[in-house]
Amino acid sequence: AQTVTQSQPEMSVQEAETVTLSCTYDTSESDYYLFWYKQPPSRQMILVIRQEAYKQQNATENRFSVNFQKAAKSFSLKISDSQLGDAAMYFCAYRSGPLMDSNYQLIWGAGTKLIIKP
Amino acid sequence: NAGVTQTPKFRVLKTGQSMTLLCAQDMNHEYMYWYRQDPGMGLRLIHYSVGEGTTAKGEVPDGYNVSRLKKQNFLLGLESAAPSQTSVYFCASSWVGQAKNIQYFGAGTRLSVL
Repeated sequence: AQTVTQSQPEMSVQEAETVTLSCTYDTSESDYYLFWYKQPPSRQMILVIRQEAYKQQNATENRFSVNFQKAAKSFSLKISDSQLGDAAMYFCAYRSGPLMDSNYQLIWGAGTKLIIKP
Repeated sequence: NAGVTQTPKFRVLKTGQSMTLLCAQDMNHEYMYWYRQDPGMGLRLIHYSVGEGTTAKGEVPDGYNVSRLKKQNFLLGLESAAPSQTSVYFCASSWVGQAKNIQYFGAGTRLSVL
């Protein structure tokens, strides 16, 4: 079974600086998707960025980028120019690729609380 | 732009009581999901649905039932609530297309069972 591990329960960063959140996963599949979701105090889950395993190029969305290391099964999130509004819980999630029977389910990490210091 | 709407937002139950959580989406998504979120853990899938009239068990289905009578609605029922079901419940929905299988979430329901 697939598992997702976020080893940092909490991280803090100074406003305007860069922070990297770690995520590792375990799978025997070759085709899958990885996601980072943000959960602000409002509780609603918001998609930050997505990576397809077959793509070698790291995904980027404005100030958010990932470092996807498929062989190492690592999927870290880098937030540049941190802003107060980035303060939230960040969750890493895994989903099997289209040929897998269980491809409707997201497997989630336990989350990392990101604190932004003004 | 409503997206995914969950009702109620908060609820307190006594052990043994029953209730139904409602999830409604206006994006014409085929797939819908119910998760629970507990402190220090990631979301865990309770049940999901791949279309109107169909449901399936997820990772932690015991003690819950679901129904998807209409495409836009996905109901989660607790027949006899237990303190172990104290949690925050999230509903999500997504398209059928694999390339766009991004899940959109509601704001959650905080449930306390005393």
